Amino acid sequence: AQSVTQPDIHITVSEGASLELRCNYSYGATPYLFWYVQSPGQGLQLLLKYFSGDTLVQGIKGFEAEFKRSQSSFNLRKPSVHWSDAAEYFCAVGSANQAGTALIFGKGTTLSVSS
Amino acid sequence: GAVVSQHPSRVICKSGTSVKIECRSLDFQATTMFWYRQFPKQSLMLMATSNEGSKATYEQGVEKDKFLINHASLTLSTLTVTSAHPEDSSFYICSAKDPDTEAFFGQGTRLTVV
Repeated sequence: AQSVTQPDIHITVSEGASLELRCNYSYGATPYLFWYVQSPGQGLQLLLKYFSGDTLVQGIKGFEAEFKRSQSSFNLRKPSVHWSDAAEYFCAVGSANQAGTALIFGKGTTLSVSS
Repeated sequence: GAVVSQHPSRVICKSGTSVKIECRSLDFQATTMFWYRQFPKQSLMLMATSNEGSKATYEQGVEKDKFLINHASLTLSTLTVTSAHPEDSSFYICSAKDPDTEAFFGQGTRLTVV
């Protein structure tokens, strides 16, 4: 079955500390991988995506993610968290081969930032 | 990136009435559009996939007669919640894509049925 697992429901990080949000996927086809951020009551903002090539991808707001095929993982990282990073983060997977296929989302990780 | 406009952003309606939500791709032709529903503090659940000019494909458990989806042009899809009830209150998000790009998301519509 195709699925995305975000093991951490809620993470609290001190401002200035590093962050890693975990994402594991199960997908039968070649995956496209995404990380989105959502503030309360808002839509989704794309942080970064992986289609092919370099497995370490850089995104907006200082985020990066590393695709590890052997571990079926696509973890999101940030070296120094800012209070404005507090939000809900979603990992998603889609098909690289089927243009009309919808994304499958993980359940999300809520990030809180303490001062 | 491409822009997807969703309207309205918020709507409150009375129980039993119908509500229409629009999703427009502003600078590209969306051959495929997706409608998602998000309950509070939960993930996005795909409701249906619509291809321009074709009937929408609904996910299991989604009532197609209650959630009417129309994708009559390459830039517009609509979701109509018919005979809305309080349990239909939710956050609805659309996304749109052409064959060569990833999907782009609208800003969502907060529906409250009173």
